[in-house]
Amino acid sequence: SQQGEEDPQALSIQEGENATMNCSYKTSINNLQWYRQNSGRGLVHLILIRSNEREKHSGRLRVTLDTSKKSSSLLITASRAADTASYFCATDAGSGGGADGLTFGKGTHLIIQP
Amino acid sequence: DAGVIQSPRHEVTEMGQEVTLRCKPISGHNSLFWYRQTMMRGLELLIYFNNNVPIDDSGMPEDRFSAKMPNASFSTLKIQPSEPRDSAVYFCASNHRRTSTDTQYFGPGTRLTVL
Repeated sequence: SQQGEEDPQALSIQEGENATMNCSYKTSINNLQWYRQNSGRGLVHLILIRSNEREKHSGRLRVTLDTSKKSSSLLITASRAADTASYFCATDAGSGGGADGLTFGKGTHLIIQP
Repeated sequence: DAGVIQSPRHEVTEMGQEVTLRCKPISGHNSLFWYRQTMMRGLELLIYFNNNVPIDDSGMPEDRFSAKMPNASFSTLKIQPSEPRDSAVYFCASNHRRTSTDTQYFGPGTRLTVL
């Protein structure tokens, strides 16, 4: 079963607006990552937040993590048409060191209207 | 850096045929992962290797699926015999255990259609 569940499943906003996606998970984690997938392409890593962190920024991305609620959010500010893609959260609950497989949610499909 | 390379990019085959998917990880990476993506089940981890050794194959759906990593620069995922329900996009990913920030680097995927 999927560890992460993204919400919403689909999101359509106007260019320039902010987009927020949420992810919930079920078990304890070492870290949580967000990936982007453009149509017909592979996944690209966006940002990673460790279990002892609460917030992290990278350019127009802001990720929060609430381990007590087993949830995370991804905020994309000042959205652009090129941000149109599917976004997945992924959890790593293994022994650490990056060598364990990730468990992915089913993703949020984000559409940025020009 | 060429990134993770997968071949073929597209494969169409008939039920019962053997299918072999190939992956070349990023040079220097010592962990390799195979995932499958379908509309119904999303992205699922099938198997992963550390230093060419299979660590966890609990995600492999059936005995029809097998994976090998004969050396650090090559892995195969084989389905024999293939069935229509195996139709999916298969991704290979790699990272380096000791120095990575846990990021996995994905290949472009192989889109498999079993008729």
